[in-house]
Amino acid sequence: EAQVTQNPRYLITVTGKKLTVTCSQNMNHEYMSWYRQDPGLGLRQIYYSMNVEVTDKGDVPEGYKVSRKEKRNFPLILESPSPNQTSLYFCASSLDRGRETQYFGPGTRLLVL
Amino acid sequence: GDSVTQMEGPVTLSEEAFLTINCTYTATGYPSLFWYVQYPGEGLQLLLKATKADDKGSNKGFEATYRKETTSFHLEKGSVQVSDSAVYFCALSSNAGGTSYGKLTFGQGTILTVHP
Repeated sequence: EAQVTQNPRYLITVTGKKLTVTCSQNMNHEYMSWYRQDPGLGLRQIYYSMNVEVTDKGDVPEGYKVSRKEKRNFPLILESPSPNQTSLYFCASSLDRGRETQYFGPGTRLLVL
Repeated sequence: GDSVTQMEGPVTLSEEAFLTINCTYTATGYPSLFWYVQYPGEGLQLLLKATKADDKGSNKGFEATYRKETTSFHLEKGSVQVSDSAVYFCALSSNAGGTSYGKLTFGQGTILTVHP
């Protein structure tokens, strides 16, 4: 089954404790991205990757890091989480940029205390 | 920059009522337009899309027409069901070139609740 998976689905952590949210897709997609969803703001792009070893900032990259060492995986790293990073996070992938449909993972709900 | 504006929610309807969710956009070039739906506890999934002016996207009884002259992509359904209760997001994908090419810009989402 074609899908985007994320882990964990739920996470409670404390300020400053490094964490990683994994994202994996099995569709051989080149383009992957991370979004955060906040009430009244819709989804905002954090980082994106056009292919292996090619990543760039989205609209709200501060406090986040990503890497793309393999085509299928695109982890999101919070080196020192803060309460304002409490949010619902989605990973997405598509065949390429542009007009292609993006496929979303199930989401990771993060609470930073 | 690109932006998408959706009608304010929440929207509450009775089953079999007619649904319209307004969406207007601002973008350079000729973006692709999408409606994504998010059911409770799930990720977003594509509902329909249109890639050029006057295209009509349709799926599951929903439809939306890409209106370049009014920069709109309103979502409609003739008869909603309880199972349509979800959050609906209008989005555009820019093709203006540069770093914004292909990025999805979302509206704020509209919560739809359908009662029996």
